Amino acid sequence: GNSVTQMEGPVTLSEEAFLTINCTYTATGYPSLFWYVQYPGEGLQLLLKATKADDKGSNKGFEATYRKETTSFHLEKGSVQVSDSAVYFCALSGGSSASKIIFGSGTRLSIRP
Amino acid sequence: DGGITQSPKYLFRKEGQNVTLSCEQNLNHDAMYWYRQDPGQGLRLIYYSQIVNDFQKGDIAEGYSVSREKKESFPLTVTSAQKNPTAFYLCASSISAGSVTEAFFGQGTRLTVV
Repeated sequence: GNSVTQMEGPVTLSEEAFLTINCTYTATGYPSLFWYVQYPGEGLQLLLKATKADDKGSNKGFEATYRKETTSFHLEKGSVQVSDSAVYFCALSGGSSASKIIFGSGTRLSIRP
Repeated sequence: DGGITQSPKYLFRKEGQNVTLSCEQNLNHDAMYWYRQDPGQGLRLIYYSQIVNDFQKGDIAEGYSVSREKKESFPLTVTSAQKNPTAFYLCASSISAGSVTEAFFGQGTRLTVV
């Protein structure tokens, strides 16, 4: 079945550092890909999405490109801030999982001032 | 404002009791989902519903039950058969438009067995 694999955390960076959180997926068909963010004690919020190969999703300085050839959707940000500290989840839906949203295990990000 | 509301935010249950977690949405979404999140772990799907009066088991449905009598509501009952119910429970909804099922989440309910 479809699945999502994320790099394990926690990830700790200094403010203004470059961020990459890796995400790869296994899917049949043509899924859509998402990044969600979860702040402490809260639900998840959609950060960005991409619906087809080579699409780039972007929001709040974060970017991710849907790479079908490498089955990846890595999250990047050029200069992180303390306020970016949260847990980040990669997810997919569609393809053979049309009715379900499948999440990765999440990556905890901590930014030092 | 449109959104998805979970209640209560915190819930304590004695062993052997059933408890029901509420989830309501006013987004006019067809699909609704329940996930369980354990500390330091990802989200695991308990049940989901694509339409009123229909729902399917997710990956960890044992010990849980749901109903979908109204489009707006998708309550989750944690039964006494659930061996380890202490967790953070998240409800979500989506339009279910084609394959782009972007989900909107509630704020979660933290259930603790005492």
